[in-house]
Amino acid sequence: GEDVEQSLFLSVREGDSSVINCTYTDSSSTYLYWYKQEPGAGLQLLTYIFSNMDMKQDQRLTVLLNKKDKHLSLRIADTQTGDSAIYFCAEHGSSNTGKLIFGQGTTLQVKP
Amino acid sequence: DAGVIQSPRHEVTEMGQEVTLRCKPISGHNSLFWYRQTMMRGLELLIYFNNNVPIDDSGMPEDRFSAKMPNASFSTLKIQPSEPRDSAVYFCASSLGERSLFFGSGTQLSVL
Repeated sequence: GEDVEQSLFLSVREGDSSVINCTYTDSSSTYLYWYKQEPGAGLQLLTYIFSNMDMKQDQRLTVLLNKKDKHLSLRIADTQTGDSAIYFCAEHGSSNTGKLIFGQGTTLQVKP
Repeated sequence: DAGVIQSPRHEVTEMGQEVTLRCKPISGHNSLFWYRQTMMRGLELLIYFNNNVPIDDSGMPEDRFSAKMPNASFSTLKIQPSEPRDSAVYFCASSLGERSLFFGSGTQLSVL
């Protein structure tokens, strides 16, 4: 079935780079997404990558996609305390209806 | 646009009571999703609508849960009767076609 897997927790020091990893089972999704959830808030779209791209850079964020291994990663450069949040990767799975399948979320803790 | 609007923001009720959660999607979006988030199970898709029609309700946990979308600008999720294990954060999200989802701030439900 359709599944998206993430590690649950990552701790880094302020100023370091963070890398959050995600694996998925279905490869028919046109886009793959990263969402950020801050405490007490809903999920906010952080960035996305088109499935025929290998890499996308957006300021401090770099998304890498390895379609062969069905692996997606999010790198945050110069991580700040404000980056502390839960990060979810998501993909559409095999349906074309817009439904998103989310991973369990990775809690990023940034220590000063 | 004000984004996806959910009400109430918090709901505390007693077991056995009826609970109604409300959602106003982003104007122009044609898909609407109800998700539930708990520590144990993460983010679960309950039901989604496309052009006001329920497409997949396989995630609705029991017959106690029902959802309606009478028009393009309003949806409700009802739990009757509510139980303590229904306590969670309920998110509504909307999208246009196979695009990214935009989430509301959620309703924190506590059933005592």
